[in-house]
Amino acid sequence: GEDVEQSLFLSVREGDSSVINCTYTDSSSTYLYWYKQEPGAGLQLLTYIFSNMDMKQDQRLTVLLNKKDKHLSLRIADTQTGDSAIYFCAVFSGGGADGLTFGKGTHLIIQP
Amino acid sequence: NAGVTQTPKFQVLKTGQSMTLQCAQDMNHEYMSWYRQDPGMGLRLIHYSVGAGITDQGEVPNGYNVSRSTTEDFPLRLLSAAPSQTSVYFCASRPTGAGGSYEQYFGPGTRLTVT
Repeated sequence: GEDVEQSLFLSVREGDSSVINCTYTDSSSTYLYWYKQEPGAGLQLLTYIFSNMDMKQDQRLTVLLNKKDKHLSLRIADTQTGDSAIYFCAVFSGGGADGLTFGKGTHLIIQP
Repeated sequence: NAGVTQTPKFQVLKTGQSMTLQCAQDMNHEYMSWYRQDPGMGLRLIHYSVGAGITDQGEVPNGYNVSRSTTEDFPLRLLSAAPSQTSVYFCASRPTGAGGSYEQYFGPGTRLTVT
């Protein structure tokens, strides 16, 4: 089945750019998502990209997809303290029980 | 729209007790699912449903039952609670129609502690 990998932690300085990376294994994946989870809250969909796209930009967020390497990244420009959260990569491949596979999440830590 | 709602927000159970976690959505989504989130484990799928009257097992179904009598509601039952079921439980829903982006919407979660 699909496997989605993410680093567990990322520490950046306030004002810098954050780049959170994700790799997946199923080349038939169609939609790829980034979710944000703030402490004590549920998962909030940040953005998604369709597999026929290379890049998607939405204000401070940029998603890059390299299908050849099965690599997805989320760049957050001008990182703020409010960006401190766990970021989950998720991939929809339409197969399996759920069709949707989540990574274990990357804790983004903001240093002042 | 309220989106996906879950009750209760917090619950403490003793080992062996049973309870039902409630989940409802008002977006007319066919697909609903239950996940548990444990530190370092990410999200693990417990059960899911592709429509009223249809349910199936996910990755970690043991100790849990579900039913789907209406499109809106998808309760999760713990039959005999065990300390290993201490976790945060999330309900989610999404449309299944072709042409959509399959965006999944999550509830706020239920924090369950079993002593």
